[in-house]
Amino acid sequence: AQSVTQLGSHVSVSEGALVLLRCNYSSSVPPYLFWYVQYPNQGLQLLLKYTSAATLVKGINGFEAEFKKSETSFHLTKPSAHMSDAAEYFCAVSDPQAGTALIFGKGTTLSVSS
Amino acid sequence: DTAVSQTPKYLVTQMGNDKSIKCEQNLGHDTMYWYKQDSKKFLKIMFSYNNKELIINETVPNRFSPKSPDKAHLNLHINSLELGDSAVYFCASSPGQGNYNEQFFGPGTRLTVL
Repeated sequence: AQSVTQLGSHVSVSEGALVLLRCNYSSSVPPYLFWYVQYPNQGLQLLLKYTSAATLVKGINGFEAEFKKSETSFHLTKPSAHMSDAAEYFCAVSDPQAGTALIFGKGTTLSVSS
Repeated sequence: DTAVSQTPKYLVTQMGNDKSIKCEQNLGHDTMYWYKQDSKKFLKIMFSYNNKELIINETVPNRFSPKSPDKAHLNLHINSLELGDSAVYFCASSPGQGNYNEQFFGPGTRLTVL
């Protein structure tokens, strides 16, 4: 079965600093990978997704992620953090052997200080 | 216009009661899901329906019964509520069964069992 590991349950950065949230996957087939963001007391919103078209994927709000097959990674980055980026971030993989359900990582809480 | 809506947003009830959570999507999607987010924010798939047909039924107690009266609705009924059922329940929808499809999430229903 496919799985996702998010390294670091909590990441703290200063406003304007680089944001790096780590995600590693395990998959026996080419994966479909997603990053979602959850703001407090809200549902999940898609930031970006990898569907094998391009290894560098650009998403909303200035985020991007690079798919590296050799490292089985799909890390999320943003060059300059903003206070409004403070939220919970989830990496997920879609498992073809489990229908189309998303298998989520445990999430990373991003804190941004001024 | 809300794409995926859930009612109620908050649900507080006693152990042993039966309750329902309703979900509606106005996106014209074929596939709908229920996910459970526990107190540690871990998200796990519970059920998936495609065109009113059950596709995924993860290891969920049979006290949980999904019902899809039509493509736009997927309700969740829970019998004999237990303390461990306290969680946030998210409904989601996607255009079809392709694993590359984005899932759109509702705002969640926070269930508290006393």
